[in-house]
Amino acid sequence: EAEVAQSPRYKITEKSQAVAFWCDPISGHATLYWYRQILGQGPELLVQFQDESVVDDSQLPKDRFSAERLKGVDSTLKIQPAELGDSAMYLCASSPPGQALGQYFGPGTRLTVT
Amino acid sequence: GDSVTQMEGPVTLSEEAFLTINCTYTATGYPSLFWYVQYPGEGLQLLLKATKADDKGSNKGFEATYRKETTSFHLEKGSVQVSDSAVYFCALSSNDYKLSFGAGTTVTVRA
Repeated sequence: EAEVAQSPRYKITEKSQAVAFWCDPISGHATLYWYRQILGQGPELLVQFQDESVVDDSQLPKDRFSAERLKGVDSTLKIQPAELGDSAMYLCASSPPGQALGQYFGPGTRLTVT
Repeated sequence: GDSVTQMEGPVTLSEEAFLTINCTYTATGYPSLFWYVQYPGEGLQLLLKATKADDKGSNKGFEATYRKETTSFHLEKGSVQVSDSAVYFCALSSNDYKLSFGAGTTVTVRA
């Protein structure tokens, strides 16, 4: 069964450093999402791509976060500089056409900023 | 805007007990409704879904019925197992394909 791949699974970084996360969606899924999940809360959408275009980045802290999906396949989320409050699980998801079909999530990257 | 409200946890049960997690929603139009499950240390997995009123989603012994009149999508399982211990998220998706999640309900099943 096809899965969303993410790496790394765990990342520890010091505040003010740069960090990057990678996501490879399920083949054929044109829509890709990045979520942030703070411990004890539900996921919060950071950015949504349709192919290589950003559809929604209204919740992305653009002063320090950036996301790209240059060829419309895999995607990278970057934080620079990292802050203590960025410690969270970063989840990537992808979905096939049709809002009724749901999203399929990767295992996530757990970020700890020290 | 779209929102989901689900029962606060944590919920602790004994094996073979009946589980209900309440979920209500607010949305414009006719959203699709989902339950996701997150096991410790893992990402979210789609548990079940329903796309229109009166649809019943089911998977792994869990069921939920899309009730438009009460804007609800409560999750139920008749006999839980220790392996069902996880965090359960109710979510909805409207025309813009975004998922709006509830805060999650932590369920612990004791042997």
